[in-house]
Amino acid sequence: GESVGLHLPTLSVQEGDNSIINCAYSNSASDYFIWYKQESGKGPQFIIDIRSNMDKRQGQRVTVLLNKTVKHLSLQIAATQPGDSAVYFCAENPPADKLIFGTGTRLQVFP
Amino acid sequence: NAGVTQTPKFQVLKTGQSMTLQCAQDMNHEYMSWYRQDPGMGLRLIHYSVGAGITDQGEVPNGYNVSRSTTEDFPLRLLSAAPSQTSVYFCASRRSGDRKNQPQHFGDGTRLSIL
Repeated sequence: GESVGLHLPTLSVQEGDNSIINCAYSNSASDYFIWYKQESGKGPQFIIDIRSNMDKRQGQRVTVLLNKTVKHLSLQIAATQPGDSAVYFCAENPPADKLIFGTGTRLQVFP
Repeated sequence: NAGVTQTPKFQVLKTGQSMTLQCAQDMNHEYMSWYRQDPGMGLRLIHYSVGAGITDQGEVPNGYNVSRSTTEDFPLRLLSAAPSQTSVYFCASRRSGDRKNQPQHFGDGTRLSIL
């Protein structure tokens, strides 16, 4: 089985509820942020991104909020579905060709 | 398009053995990178390349070599495997240009165990 994620924080929600996954980033110079979803045995999959000149960006059922004052990023998933169960990573991009990933949060959706 | 393809999917090595992890992309992406993923540590950048013939070190480059002779391929070499290199390895790529409009696309990983 997959060994990655044994020590991850876990968010458990009921199907149909909204989920909020939080992330603190480290570099105040980061100007681009990305949320990835990783299912077991798969690579990270792009969900949504946001530039530092924005506070909020919406996609289909997902919203990313950025608070640069406290270096905080959140991912909101509306009407959470069983297929949303996965590990979610935020990544920050300072002005360089490198991404810095957070440690991830496991989302568990119960029927 | 196959996207980013990594081979092999699983590998077990003995300490001291050498191995090359393969990564290929068919999206004509100029930027490619290698990450390792360990429990509780997220993904960490090993090496990256902004185009053929150009490579640079990431956060954890020791024990790994890379080369970029073509746009499509970016192999990662372990010259003398150590147990500390047991991990899941991911390759990623993106278009060049404005990095703030080009999220990276990842392969499905190589799960490597060093005994």
